[in-house]
Amino acid sequence: DTAVSQTPKYLVTQMGNDKSIKCEQNLGHDTMYWYKQDSKKFLKIMFSYNNKELIINETVPNRFSPKSPDKAHLNLHINSLELGDSAVYFCASRGSGGEKLFFGSGTQLSVL
Amino acid sequence: DQQVKQNSPSLSVQEGRISILNCDYTNSMFDYFLWYKKYPAEGPTFLISISSIKDKNEDGRFTVFLNKSAKHLSLHIVPSQPGDSAVYFCAASPNYNAGNMLTFGGGTRLMVKP
Repeated sequence: DTAVSQTPKYLVTQMGNDKSIKCEQNLGHDTMYWYKQDSKKFLKIMFSYNNKELIINETVPNRFSPKSPDKAHLNLHINSLELGDSAVYFCASRGSGGEKLFFGSGTQLSVL
Repeated sequence: DQQVKQNSPSLSVQEGRISILNCDYTNSMFDYFLWYKKYPAEGPTFLISISSIKDKNEDGRFTVFLNKSAKHLSLHIVPSQPGDSAVYFCAASPNYNAGNMLTFGGGTRLMVKP
């Protein structure tokens, strides 16, 4: 009964590959996010979706494409993976009128 | 250009003592501040927040203080417990309902020794 779940937890892949990370929330929230935690440990927003519509795209390369089939899911597809994409990616959600984000447990992506 | 800074990457405190975690920000448009706590291999979880109309907010052992003129906030944990050992992130946004615009600091790792 995890509120925000993302899979896989660990992802190790070669440069140039294409991979996806899935995220689901069962909180009934309208807004979902993808955050990236870089090597300096800062959490930076990548995308925000509200009711399946893209709200924010924060200077993320086109190789990253989020997809929201419904408001409970926000998946992240990454094409042509690069070494610099190695990071921990967190999915999060937020209810309308609320300030709190609820985070998934993260996906550690390692590009070799 | 980091708008939210946590200048202490780590802090070690004895159990039962007070832990003080600090956070500075540069953007005067920030109006709402939050603290998140993160255990290893887990996502950050919300801990406590404060609006700029207040200078203090308390929730059990956790108190957040805001000094708007200094653009500084701090999280006090008293008494500290070993289970408080985690990474604490400070975050700021321009208003209460601006989850889309949260800016996070780099985190402070707190270690509470038994």
